[in-house]
Order: sequence, then structure tokens, then C-alpha cells
Amino acid sequence: EAGVAQSPRYKIIEKRQSVAFWCNPISGHATLYWYQQILGQGPKLLIQFQNNGVVDDSQLPKDRFSAERLKGVDSTLKIQPAKLEDSAVYLCASSVSGRGTGELFFGEGSRLTVL
Amino acid sequence: GNSVTQMEGPVTLSEEAFLTINCTYTATGYPSLFWYVQYPGEGLQLLLKATKADDKGSNKGFEATYRKETTSFHLEKGSVQVSDSAVYFCALTGNDMRFGAGTRLTVKP
Repeated sequence: EAGVAQSPRYKIIEKRQSVAFWCNPISGHATLYWYQQILGQGPKLLIQFQNNGVVDDSQLPKDRFSAERLKGVDSTLKIQPAKLEDSAVYLCASSVSGRGTGELFFGEGSRLTVL
Repeated sequence: GNSVTQMEGPVTLSEEAFLTINCTYTATGYPSLFWYVQYPGEGLQLLLKATKADDKGSNKGFEATYRKETTSFHLEKGSVQVSDSAVYFCALTGNDMRFGAGTRLTVKP
């Protein structure tokens, strides 16, 4: 079974530029998550999708971050314009359902460096 | 809201030493509890989980027991190996997954 795919693995940009990350979850997984992991910290949830609807985006900085999950499959996370503090690893995860007992399956992450 | 607090690292042990990584949680309701592990250069992966009070999760020699009375889910292993060197995250879930800050474990031969 293929895992969660993310791209690009690494991205370096200058502040005020834009960047987009792509995620393809495990086939059949209804719930998709984007997490931000700053160096030395645990992952922080940015947004959670159930199929193609947003379940939770309370911690997404909506003035600069946006995410979509068209057709309830793959997803794109965009940052525009980027700030220095956005340097982090962006993790995509998926689960069969959004209910509390489910295991999350993570991709390898996209590491963003903002100069 | 729900949150977890885990012991700060880094933790450095010799091979075959006993490991404990403390994790306590704050939650409303009855969350499920998890330990995830992140090996160098890899994504997070589930190590073990417990879904209700007094459940014990176990995998690869690691164990953790869901203690409601002390709101804890401490990770233990009786004899660590060099290959256990990684970052360990405690997590809980209600409607979403919340992670602790992570504890880096280094095991020396």
C-alpha cells in the first residue's frame, strides 16, 4: 500500500515569496491533515479536511496560508507571502476517518526555509 | 483545550538501559492516547496507542499504560538499543490530534 506522498521535499525561498506544497493521501482515507513542525517543537495542526470539507482551520494563519482539497483526494497548502517564521517542516497526514481512535499516517514532510 | 506535556530532552542512555519518557495530558472527555516516533530522516509513525483507561499499548518492546487517575501515558522500555535513537512524541486525540513537543532519545553503544 502506497503511503502519504508529499512534494517538494525541500524548498528555499526568500521572504515575501510564495510557495505551495502538495499532498496525496493514502487511497480511501477520508481525512487529511496539514501540520506545521517548527524545529524542536511538536507538530501543530494547521487544517483538517474531511473529504473535501474543512473540519478545523482554527490555527491556520488565514492572512497568508490557504489550503484546498479538491475532489476529496489530494491537497495543496499555499503560503503567500512567506515570513521568516514560516520556516518549518510541513507534514501531511491522513486517516481512515476523523474520529478520535484512528491512527494518522504521515508523509515525510516538506522542509521550508525562508531567507 | 486538549493538550499534552512530555518530559524535555534530550535523553542519552547506554545500550540496554531502562527508558522512561513521561507524558501527562489535559483533556475533556475520554481521548485516545498515542506515542509516535520519528527516526532520523523519516516521517512520524505510530509506535503504540491506547483508547481507554487502563489499556496498555505495546510495540517493539515499548509499553505505555493509559492512567486516567494520574492523567499520564508514560513510555517505557526495559532495554534500549542503538536503533531506538529517535524523537518520541506523545499525542492525544479528541476531534484532532495534539502532540507534545517531543523528546529526543540517543542510545550509545
